[in-house]
Amino acid sequence: DSGVTQTPKHLITATGQRVTLRCSPRSGDLSVYWYQQSLDQGLQFLIHYYNGEERAKGNILERFSAQQFPDLHSELNLSSLELGDSALYFCASSVSVGRADMQYFGPGTRLTVL
Amino acid sequence: EDQVTQSPEALRLQEGESSSLNCSYTVSGLRGLFWYRQDPGKGPEFLFTLYSAGEEKEKERLKATLTKKESFLHITAPKPEDSATYLCAVQAPWGYGGSQGNLIFGKGTKLSVKP
Repeated sequence: DSGVTQTPKHLITATGQRVTLRCSPRSGDLSVYWYQQSLDQGLQFLIHYYNGEERAKGNILERFSAQQFPDLHSELNLSSLELGDSALYFCASSVSVGRADMQYFGPGTRLTVL
Repeated sequence: EDQVTQSPEALRLQEGESSSLNCSYTVSGLRGLFWYRQDPGKGPEFLFTLYSAGEEKEKERLKATLTKKESFLHITAPKPEDSATYLCAVQAPWGYGGSQGNLIFGKGTKLSVKP
């Protein structure tokens, strides 16, 4: 158990819908990273938050957004869903930013768009 | 563009048959190279971090090494429970493309160990 929690574990929805994925980092970790894993692309970085502030964006679509709340949990919002958005979504947390410290991954949310 | 390439894509071993997995990277200014293990449908599980060429780390049957352009994950006398996908990742250089610590992953090596 990494100490990172994600809910829900599975999500099945239809095209055009909007969903919210939730992540709680390990106690004391200030950084939250979101990654998307699909069969053909592997793990791709989406967005990074540190202590409530957005710090970096990766391959994140404009239909996707995220935020980190004062209690440090984070939410990833996916809207106008398409079939191609079906994937595993992971969040990872680390203590700080700027050091090569390890990132601990949550169990993921499997999103299926029908 | 920074790339992380892992080989082979898949590896089948008999129990006890030692082998190595390769991870080559092109990112400059490496801040850290990470090895993770991932079981199907699960989140990546941290194994090792390597920071500089020549560094080695061991954990049970696994040993990770790092050179200037690649890393190896050596598996000695593997057991069926070592079957998983092994992921290599490098930490993007600070400020590169706006990065502040995100990981760049290879596509992984799927290891199967048969009894």
